[in-house]
Amino acid sequence: GAVVSQHPSWVICKSGTSVKIECRSLDFQATTMFWYRQFPKQSLMLMATSNEGSKATYEQGVEKDKFLINHASLTLSTLTVTSAHPEDSSFYICSAIPGGSLMDEQYFGPGTRLTVT
Amino acid sequence: QKEVEQNSGPLSVPEGAIASLNCTYSDRVSQSFFWYRQYSGKSPELIMSIYSNGDKEDGRFTAQLNKASQYVSLLIRDSQPSDSATYLCAVRGGGATNKLIFGTGTLLAVQP
Repeated sequence: GAVVSQHPSWVICKSGTSVKIECRSLDFQATTMFWYRQFPKQSLMLMATSNEGSKATYEQGVEKDKFLINHASLTLSTLTVTSAHPEDSSFYICSAIPGGSLMDEQYFGPGTRLTVT
Repeated sequence: QKEVEQNSGPLSVPEGAIASLNCTYSDRVSQSFFWYRQYSGKSPELIMSIYSNGDKEDGRFTAQLNKASQYVSLLIRDSQPSDSATYLCAVRGGGATNKLIFGTGTLLAVQP
């Protein structure tokens, strides 16, 4: 149980275009999902917390108008990187906490590798 | 002072030995503690969670928590080359937030 999927697993786009990444909880409902970014040889950096039916909470320094998050259902959150630039190239990973669980274990998706040319 | 600190390694152990990974945290009211394994190019995989002082065992893995010392560790018994990965310590602080604070990870290399 507690499987999280992401789509696409990798994407290459041109500078100035937008890219949407989907995060789905496959076998549980997730009221809260998280979006992380990881640069090579660095640790995970939390970008935002996504709550179903409400606005996402962004971490300091993360541009909310550039990284649009939508958590429209209990099993789907999307991250849209708008007007992507080469410096946005990174490994984007989502995670989710099973709703109703007494524990707060976060389960990670497989990640999406974004390359902006 | 970093909120969650780990030795970056690499920690090199021979196959079959015990690997000991350590983590300290600064927020005294932290409630939940996690160990994740991350292979190169992959996303983190949850190995263990621990919430109470003491030891928690799961197969070859044992997590140890000492809240008074603000210290959490992970022991891997009978280390295998397939255990070679970066191990991330993550801490959830007190209060209503579910956010995790990650350490920078310790690279473990198990030598055949």
